[in-house]
Amino acid sequence: EVQLVQSGAEVKKPGESLNISCKGSGYSFTNYWIGWVRQMPGKGLEWMGIIYPRDSNTRYSPSFQGQVTISADKSISTAYLQWSSLKVSDTAMFYCATTTVDTDAFDFWGHGTMVTVSS
Amino acid sequence: DIQMTQFPSSLSASVGDRVTLTCRASQTITSYLNWYQQRPGKAPKLLIYAASSLQSGVPSRFSGSGSGTDFTLTISNLQPEDFATYSCQQTYSTPWTFGQGTKVEIK
Repeated sequence: EVQLVQSGAEVKKPGESLNISCKGSGYSFTNYWIGWVRQMPGKGLEWMGIIYPRDSNTRYSPSFQGQVTISADKSISTAYLQWSSLKVSDTAMFYCATTTVDTDAFDFWGHGTMVTVSS
Repeated sequence: DIQMTQFPSSLSASVGDRVTLTCRASQTITSYLNWYQQRPGKAPKLLIYAASSLQSGVPSRFSGSGSGTDFTLTISNLQPEDFATYSCQQTYSTPWTFGQGTKVEIK
């Protein structure tokens, strides 16, 4: 069974750094793109970027390029989403998702990590 | 970036109804169009990929059609568990953008 298990909810202050994780199991983590999706409170889904764990090839949405860093450690089947300096506007739910189909649809999703940034 | 526009933004329907949701791309995406369902407080769930292919385990009352720029998701015989928000997504080119969603509410 494919599973993506995300790290727990975070409460941070503006300017702090943060790293959230997504651990894959039940499939060949190395061989499939895994991505991150943001959902701000009461809003729609926003595609942030994806990484191919085998070679760490990464693609970002222009909206998130330079704002976050996506990485992966294939040795432990884990993807990461990192901020160096959080803003209040980063408050959102973040989902990881992987695509194992040829057309790149996200067929498996994590349960989400809620990030709250407040002074 | 390819912009995805969904309409309507919300609709009210009754159990047993047939509803059609629309998604339009700002340029051709051939058939690289996916549909997701998201219930409140839950992660999105893939329903349809490649415009018309039903994801494994998804009831056959869900169907998708379209190609190029215009796509539809049809739910026939609406069930109580179908009241949710539906989002389309193009995977023709990165960034793989989502539409803003259509909320299907109980009439």
